[in-house]
Amino acid sequence: EPEVTQTPSHQVTQMGQEVILRCVPISNHLYFYWYRQILGQKVEFLVSFYNNEISEKSEIFDDQFSVERPDGSNFTLKIRSTKLEDSAMYFCASSSGGFTDTQYFGPGTRLTVL
Amino acid sequence: AQSVAQPEDQVNVAEGNPLTVKCTYSVSGNPYLFWYVQYPNRGLQFLLKYITGDNLVKGSYGFEAEFNKSQTSFHLKKPSALVSDSALYFCAVRVDRDDKIIFGKGTRLHILP
Repeated sequence: EPEVTQTPSHQVTQMGQEVILRCVPISNHLYFYWYRQILGQKVEFLVSFYNNEISEKSEIFDDQFSVERPDGSNFTLKIRSTKLEDSAMYFCASSSGGFTDTQYFGPGTRLTVL
Repeated sequence: AQSVAQPEDQVNVAEGNPLTVKCTYSVSGNPYLFWYVQYPNRGLQFLLKYITGDNLVKGSYGFEAEFNKSQTSFHLKKPSALVSDSALYFCAVRVDRDDKIIFGKGTRLHILP
């Protein structure tokens, strides 16, 4: 069964450093998403991406964040200058399309900012 | 604002007994409702969803959920719990023309052998 994969599983970085989190969505999916879950809190939507552009973003997704689909398979989330409060589990998801379609989630990348 | 409430932080059920994990929602617009499960060190796995039609939906691993529009609820159920059902369960809602899914805070289900 196709799965969303994410790398790395755990990333440790120093405050102020740039990080790139990588995702490989399910191959025939067209819509891509990033969510995050700060420890002990709800899973929160960050951004959705379709047709090579952002289709929706939350207030969390400020200028420090960017997303990219650099080739036909990868989907990345970049944080330009990490802050302590960026420490969280970051989940990538993909769907084939439409509001009724299921979003399938990857295993997550745990980001720790020191 | 759209929101999902899971009133129980933890639910304990003896193996073989029926289980219910509660969820209520508040949205403006047509809701599309989902249940996801998270096992330790794993991602969110899709269990089932309600889009339209029959209010009782069946999903993976013998789980089912009932959509109740008047009570704005979407409780997750299983007739006979297994120890392997122990995990963190998330209820979620999506609304027309919104890309995002809004999650509840999760309910930890503990099945006692």
